[in-house]
Amino acid sequence: AQSVTQPDIHITVSEGASLELRCNYSYGATPYLFWYVQSPGQGLQLLLKYFSGDTLVQGIKGFEAEFKRSQSSFNLRKPSVHWSDAAEYFCAVEGTYKYIFGTGTRLKVLA
Amino acid sequence: NAGVTQTPKFQVLKTGQSMTLQCAQDMNHEYMSWYRQDPGMGLRLIHYSVGAGITDQGEVPNGYNVSRSTTEDFPLRLLLAAPSQTSVYFCASSYGSGENTEAFFGQGTRLTVV
Repeated sequence: AQSVTQPDIHITVSEGASLELRCNYSYGATPYLFWYVQSPGQGLQLLLKYFSGDTLVQGIKGFEAEFKRSQSSFNLRKPSVHWSDAAEYFCAVEGTYKYIFGTGTRLKVLA
Repeated sequence: NAGVTQTPKFQVLKTGQSMTLQCAQDMNHEYMSWYRQDPGMGLRLIHYSVGAGITDQGEVPNGYNVSRSTTEDFPLRLLLAAPSQTSVYFCASSYGSGENTEAFFGQGTRLTVV
């Protein structure tokens, strides 16, 4: 069955620190993977996506993610977190006309 | 370019009432879908459509109906609202499936059933 796991429900980092949010997926074929961000009371905004090719993908707002097929992972990273990055982050896999989401990781940024 | 528009943004219903959540997109996307978001559960697919006249069930379809009479609109109907349907509902649309696809989301409808 197709599934996405985000093992960290909450993460707290200090402003300026590096960030890594974990995502593991289960999918039979080549996965199309996404990271979305949701600010409080808002909809979802696409950060980045992976379809094929280079396993390190760059996104908006300074985020990047690395696809590792051997580990079934697609972790999101940012070298230096800003206070405005506080939000909830969702990993998703596209499974023919629909998306399967993880349960989300809520990021708190300390000043 | 409005993207995906959901109305209303907020709604309070009494148990047993019915209502329709509206979703419209102006990007000529074939694929549209409805998700509900609950704390700790991420987004779960309710129903989806791959084109006008074609709909299918997602992970949590019970208690919801949909129809797709036009490419632009994909309304979600709650026939007999229950407190378990208290949630935030998101509509999404995309222009394809597979490589180079991307889903665009509305701003959400926060529904409370009392």
